[in-house]
Amino acid sequence: GAVVSQHPSWVICKSGTSVKIECRSLDFQATTMFWYRQFPKQSLMLMATSNEGSKATYEQGVEKDKFLINHASLTLSTLTVTSAHPEDSSFYICSATALNQETQYFGPGTRLLVL
Amino acid sequence: KQEVTQIPAALSVPEGENLVLNCSFTDSAIYNLQWFRQDPGKGLTSLLLIQSSQREQTSGRLNASLDKSSGRSTLYIAASQPGDSATYLCAAPNDWGYSSASKIIFGSGTRLSIRP
Repeated sequence: GAVVSQHPSWVICKSGTSVKIECRSLDFQATTMFWYRQFPKQSLMLMATSNEGSKATYEQGVEKDKFLINHASLTLSTLTVTSAHPEDSSFYICSATALNQETQYFGPGTRLLVL
Repeated sequence: KQEVTQIPAALSVPEGENLVLNCSFTDSAIYNLQWFRQDPGKGLTSLLLIQSSQREQTSGRLNASLDKSSGRSTLYIAASQPGDSATYLCAAPNDWGYSSASKIIFGSGTRLSIRP
């Protein structure tokens, strides 16, 4: 299957700082990327959908000004958590796909801890 | 809107047993359904992808079935091993669009523990 990477794999930051997480499709061009959030012992919840070159579409209840998504190229999408607070601590997972792909392919996730 | 439910939430069985994990979904007009494995603190590993035209898929000791009419899928694990201990997630598309770019809705997962 196709490979999707995320960087960093984990990050610890102080409250009030901004954190950028990268999602890359390594062996295919991803026309669509998704960002999910997973709180401890809960399932994945979709945050937003991003298409290359377009503004991201956010799910209800997700603050677009807090979670900035950029999908400037066919292999890279970034999620920036602005002014992070302890309640933003979570596991963030991205997935990527293209029209010729059978399904979405998931990255390994990024664990964010805000102190 | 698609809703995906998994039962049981947790399951503990002795090594060697065969077991079945259940998944139900409300919108049966799906084009595929997928089972994932997630180890603690890790990302997702895709186990099986069943297309809407298929009734089941097999990979090693794993067999996943799909019954769209009843809105159900099962993951059968044969001869369970301690290494199978993980959370198993079922996921279905949120709409009937035949595109991998459709939103995926995840179930809450079944936490499986295999006792040596």
